[in-house]
Amino acid sequence: AQSVTQLDSQVPVFEEAPVELRCNYSSSVSVYLFWYVQYPNQGLQLLLKYLSGSTLVKGINGFEAEFNKSQTSFHLRKPSVHISDTAEYFCAVSGNFNKFYFGSGTKLNVKP
Amino acid sequence: EPEVTQTPSHQVTQMGQEVILRCVPISNHLYFYWYRQILGQKVEFLVSFYNNEISEKSEIFDDQFSVERPDGSNFTLKIRSTKLEDSAMYFCASSAGQRRNTQYFGPGTRLTVL
Repeated sequence: AQSVTQLDSQVPVFEEAPVELRCNYSSSVSVYLFWYVQYPNQGLQLLLKYLSGSTLVKGINGFEAEFNKSQTSFHLRKPSVHISDTAEYFCAVSGNFNKFYFGSGTKLNVKP
Repeated sequence: EPEVTQTPSHQVTQMGQEVILRCVPISNHLYFYWYRQILGQKVEFLVSFYNNEISEKSEIFDDQFSVERPDGSNFTLKIRSTKLEDSAMYFCASSAGQRRNTQYFGPGTRLTVL
């Protein structure tokens, strides 16, 4: 079975600072990895995904993530955050089955 | 851009009542899902549906739950006799294919059971 751990439940950061949101997964099979963002009172929007190939994937809104198989990680980064990035971010993994396993989410709070 | 839609956005019901949550997946998608998120907890998989039948379900998806695709566009989740612990945000998702395919999520229905 797969599982996802997001160690940071909340990350406060000042505007224009860089940010990294951590995601670690466990799986006995090949995985596909996703990051979703949830703005207040909205659904889950896909930020980026890793399926195969280059381990550095770029997504929308200037976010990128790096797949590290040896460390079983898929951390999300942005070099300079904006107030509008304030949201909750979810890491998800899928493996042999269609269902996604989600982490518990990280609330990014960007302060002016 | 096509999107998954869900109705209603918020449903309040009394314990023991039946509720039906509705979803319209993206039109050319073949796989449909329901997830739920209890306040402050993880998004959890409930069920996946393909070719007019359930392809996988979690232990949460007991006999109180059922899903249906009554026509070519809607995908519904029915809870027969709601319990207080069914209060959650319910997300519908759809995808064009399996496993590596992105699941696109709707905005969710917030179900409150009193």
